[in-house]
Amino acid sequence: DTEVTQTPKHLVMGMTNKKSLKCEQHMGHRAMYWYKQKAKKPPELMFVYSYEKLSINESVPSRFSPECPNSSLLNLHLHALQPEDSALYLCASSQVDRERGGEQFFGPGTRLTVL
Amino acid sequence: AQSVTQLGSHVSVSEGALVLLRCNYSSSVPPYLFWYVQYPNQGLQLLLKYTSAATLVKGINGFEAEFKKSETSFHLTKPSAHMSDAAEYFCAVVQTDSWGKLQFGAGTQVVVTP
Repeated sequence: DTEVTQTPKHLVMGMTNKKSLKCEQHMGHRAMYWYKQKAKKPPELMFVYSYEKLSINESVPSRFSPECPNSSLLNLHLHALQPEDSALYLCASSQVDRERGGEQFFGPGTRLTVL
Repeated sequence: AQSVTQLGSHVSVSEGALVLLRCNYSSSVPPYLFWYVQYPNQGLQLLLKYTSAATLVKGINGFEAEFKKSETSFHLTKPSAHMSDAAEYFCAVVQTDSWGKLQFGAGTQVVVTP
């Protein structure tokens, strides 16, 4: 299985809602990532988990809360978002082994719209 | 920190013509470099990667890239464009001082005309 899956594919939420994005991989990767991508732009790194511990937080607002419950799952909890948070949210995973070059495998993304 | 620059935000090619997408990197150490493709409303798919094993790297879908240290370049080519190659292409480099951080270029939109 060389796939990263993400659910839901689409999400519409109001600014007072609480929702969660889910990501799953079964490739045995021990690093998992959340990216935000606006239209016509490259992905922007938000968070990195390595061995289920948060290793990088790119100064993301606290209304985004990541969680890595086990080595295969990654969640992104959303609360009190703003319309400018509307974007494609991508999950990725990779080996931690530097010798493998850090190749990241991406999921199809969740298209989030905040009203 | 390492970075990449993609020359040309849009490239238009005729079906059957050569595809050439340019990427230059800045790095004080041997870099790990990648080309990713993104089709509309999809995630990123790895086309190929350079990890110092060979300077000419062959990838999927007929793409290849050549690492040229003297020119700090990693340009992507495909001899004959197909309509299905229409997509956004990103060059990326791994940050060696902060493992796990991929630095992406701005992207190049490829349009293929019949």
